[in-house]
Amino acid sequence: GEEVAQTPKHLVRGEGQKAKLYCAPIKGHSYVFWYQQVLKNEFKFLISFQNENVFDETGMPKERFSAKCLPNSPCSLEIQATKLEDSAVYFCASSQWLYEQYFGPGTRLTVT
Amino acid sequence: DQQVKQNSPSLSVQEGRISILNCDYTNSMFDYFLWYKKYPAEGPTFLISISSIKDKNEDGRFTVFLNKSAKHLSLHIVPSQPGDSAVYFCAAIRPGGSQGNLIFGKGTKLSVKP
Repeated sequence: GEEVAQTPKHLVRGEGQKAKLYCAPIKGHSYVFWYQQVLKNEFKFLISFQNENVFDETGMPKERFSAKCLPNSPCSLEIQATKLEDSAVYFCASSQWLYEQYFGPGTRLTVT
Repeated sequence: DQQVKQNSPSLSVQEGRISILNCDYTNSMFDYFLWYKKYPAEGPTFLISISSIKDKNEDGRFTVFLNKSAKHLSLHIVPSQPGDSAVYFCAAIRPGGSQGNLIFGKGTKLSVKP
């Protein structure tokens, strides 16, 4: 597609439950990025992929967070055993090269 | 340690006038800079970018200026329109080239009054 698609738009989970977020990048884009927006306007980089391979995971919390980009499937970001501090808006972005990135509308995760 | 700084949380401008949004960075290894616009409950929208080998890039009403010696860039919007009211984020590409994730400032909320 011509836009980055993210589902669901909103997700509510009780503390300790699993959360799974999905992202379909723009067709033809090789790179996918996940960012977490917390505390008003702060964006935190989580992980990036080049096609189905992890490109950079330096921002990814080692515990509880995992991500995949498999061929012919949306990319996914999974949080095992969610905590209150995971409440945030999660944005996916895609790019053809490692410069301009195009963002999806985000998934708002609320952990109660 | 914040590597990209937008020191003005908000800016108010009259319709038709110029809006100037500022951004400073600390890492001289950044080699590409971008501006994004964000409306509430939407994802950031790419506006304009500039490479560190240039000092100006223009696209319609939007112009970005880069002053490498001062580690400063600015976004000019002329003329400003009410629809430009949004939060504007400055971003830089992380040094190292092979990583590519954006380092964002905290944004400036622009209000354009009719």
